[in-house]
Amino acid sequence: NAGVTQTPKFRVLKTGQSMTLLCAQDMNHEYMYWYRQDPGMGLRLIHYSVGEGTTAKGEVPDGYNVSRLKKQNFLLGLESAAPSQTSVYFCASSYRAVLTYEQYFGPGTRLTVT
Amino acid sequence: RKEVEQDPGPFNVPEGATVAFNCTYSNSASQSFFWYRQDCRKEPKLLMSVYSSGNEDGRFTAQLNRASQYISLLIRDSKLSDSATYLCVVNERYGGATNKLIFGTGTLLAVQP
Repeated sequence: NAGVTQTPKFRVLKTGQSMTLLCAQDMNHEYMYWYRQDPGMGLRLIHYSVGEGTTAKGEVPDGYNVSRLKKQNFLLGLESAAPSQTSVYFCASSYRAVLTYEQYFGPGTRLTVT
Repeated sequence: RKEVEQDPGPFNVPEGATVAFNCTYSNSASQSFFWYRQDCRKEPKLLMSVYSSGNEDGRFTAQLNRASQYISLLIRDSKLSDSATYLCVVNERYGGATNKLIFGTGTLLAVQP
């Protein structure tokens, strides 16, 4: 079991460029999440998905789009990158969104926008 | 006021010491509580859930005080391998049926030889 994987691990973008971050999980989890982590702030939820074909906005969705065409994959897109999107992005998944279920995180993608 | 607040540290302690972290949360309706551990430049991983009755896992003890809205983590006999950032996490209802994890900014622990 690979668990949750993310590609790429690192990326540098220029302002205005676009990119897609890929998250994949092999645990057959229903729920998937995208977070960003910035210094001095806790992880913040960008978007999440409760199942294949469904997505919803989290706490900080502006400037991002997501898609969940397959249960095991959750894509995060930046259409026009801005320096404020420089961050570490973590994908996570959980079996369900039931309160006591653990979220499993991927290794993260370090994105710098210049 | 932040939803989940932690002392950022760092806590520098010698091996073998006992160290305690506290965390406060603002939403009295919060329903589940966790401690996650995050090593430097790595992803967060669940350390333990926190139950109202308190729970222990080896050298780690977690306590919840709902009346005062705080959570604690006690680490006994600290090891060098305990050096990490400890994230206090609270689970709340969000968007109907979905639950959202609210993360604290973390407390950095550095165990010295």
